[in-house]
Amino acid sequence: AQSVTQLDSQVPVFEEAPVELRCNYSSSVSVYLFWYVQYPNQGLQLLLKYLSGSTLVKGINGFEAEFNKSQTSFHLRKPSVHISDTAEYFCAVRPINAGNMLTFGGGTRLMVKP
Amino acid sequence: DADVTQTPRNRITKTGKRIMLECSQTKGHDRMYWYRQDPGLGLRLIYYSFDVKDINKGEISDGYSVSRQAQAKFSLSLESAIPNQTALYFCATRRDKDTEAFFGQGTRLTVV
Repeated sequence: AQSVTQLDSQVPVFEEAPVELRCNYSSSVSVYLFWYVQYPNQGLQLLLKYLSGSTLVKGINGFEAEFNKSQTSFHLRKPSVHISDTAEYFCAVRPINAGNMLTFGGGTRLMVKP
Repeated sequence: DADVTQTPRNRITKTGKRIMLECSQTKGHDRMYWYRQDPGLGLRLIYYSFDVKDINKGEISDGYSVSRQAQAKFSLSLESAIPNQTALYFCATRRDKDTEAFFGQGTRLTVV
């Protein structure tokens, strides 16, 4: 079984400041890793994913995440946030050989202040 | 138009009532999923379907049933709604196991 822990339920930050949203996971098998974003009153959209290769993954809207296997982490970062980045962010994992079981973290609400 | 459409978007129902949430997709994907979202718990899988003849339980299927009427349609039913089924429900589709999932806009269900 897998579990995903997002350490911060809310992250307030001022516009143009950097931000890091933390995600740790546990799994007995190898996993793919994902970050999804949910804007108010909308469904989830894929922000980025790590499948293999370079551990630094770049996604949409200037976000990036780094897979750290030894620390079982996949933290999401952005060097300068905008008001429009205000949303809820979900980290998720899926076993490489069991394609249906996406396991989500509890979500982190990013609140960007002017 | 959205690729994955959920109806209704909001619903309030009484305890004990039967309710159906509908999902339709225009992406031509075989795989469809129903999740519920609760604050602090992320999304949890209720049921999933690989095609019209293949339906599987997810991690929290008790109290729910599904119907895959066609490749494009996947409905979730609560036979006798209870208050702890109050949540935000999402439908998702995926082409195959190695591709990303596409989500609907969600159905906010309140059981009073």
